[in-house]
Amino acid sequence: DIVMTQSPDSLAVSLGERATINCKSSQSVLYSSDNKNYLAWYQQKPGQPPKLLIYWASTRESGVPDRFSGSGSGADFTLTISSLQAEDVAVYYCQQYYSTPFTFGPGTKVDI
Amino acid sequence: QVQLVQSGAEVKKPGASVKVSCKASGYTFTNYAMHWVRQAPGHSLEWMGWINAGNGNTKYSQKFQGRVTITRDTSASTAYMELSSLRSEDTAVYYCARGGDGSGYYHLDYWGQGTLVTVSS
Repeated sequence: DIVMTQSPDSLAVSLGERATINCKSSQSVLYSSDNKNYLAWYQQKPGQPPKLLIYWASTRESGVPDRFSGSGSGADFTLTISSLQAEDVAVYYCQQYYSTPFTFGPGTKVDI
Repeated sequence: QVQLVQSGAEVKKPGASVKVSCKASGYTFTNYAMHWVRQAPGHSLEWMGWINAGNGNTKYSQKFQGRVTITRDTSASTAYMELSSLRSEDTAVYYCARGGDGSGYYHLDYWGQGTLVTVSS
């Protein structure tokens, strides 16, 4: 199974400041035949289901504010919130869908 | 608009089975995969398996192999997840989530609201 790790476990950021979350996979999730990274980012607020933010490592889901961006390739990825807003307080998960079982990171809690 | 509406909370005794439903609307049900993901209290997300809603092919996590069965009813645009031989560690919120095409190797773009399953004697 591909193991996903995230850092930090939690972070507190001032309103308007940048938040950066890292995600590493135990093996590459870059599929050579289509040159896509099979990596997604989700946001989960308390009592709610996860919400898709980013897929293919860097493609923003429709309707997601452009302050959210994803980068990285292979086995190292980053989610950046360029200017943190109050509504961004949540837990963020990375997930690989390169091979089954699909696996999620342990989550990073973002607070103000 | 795409919606996934799940069945209500369940309380089960150890050793019993539970079947959770997920009714889809707002898209062509048979063109997509449906995944099941669970989340134990205070824990991360755990993928259980998926079904190609078109042809009914399934793929399960080895962890749940033999205990989980995912089915669908195309006439009702509904997917089901049945978990048997329940134990206390299965207490969790269970989510259905739409995948991409039937291959299943896609991000999960829409999620159900979740169904709390509590296993307690």
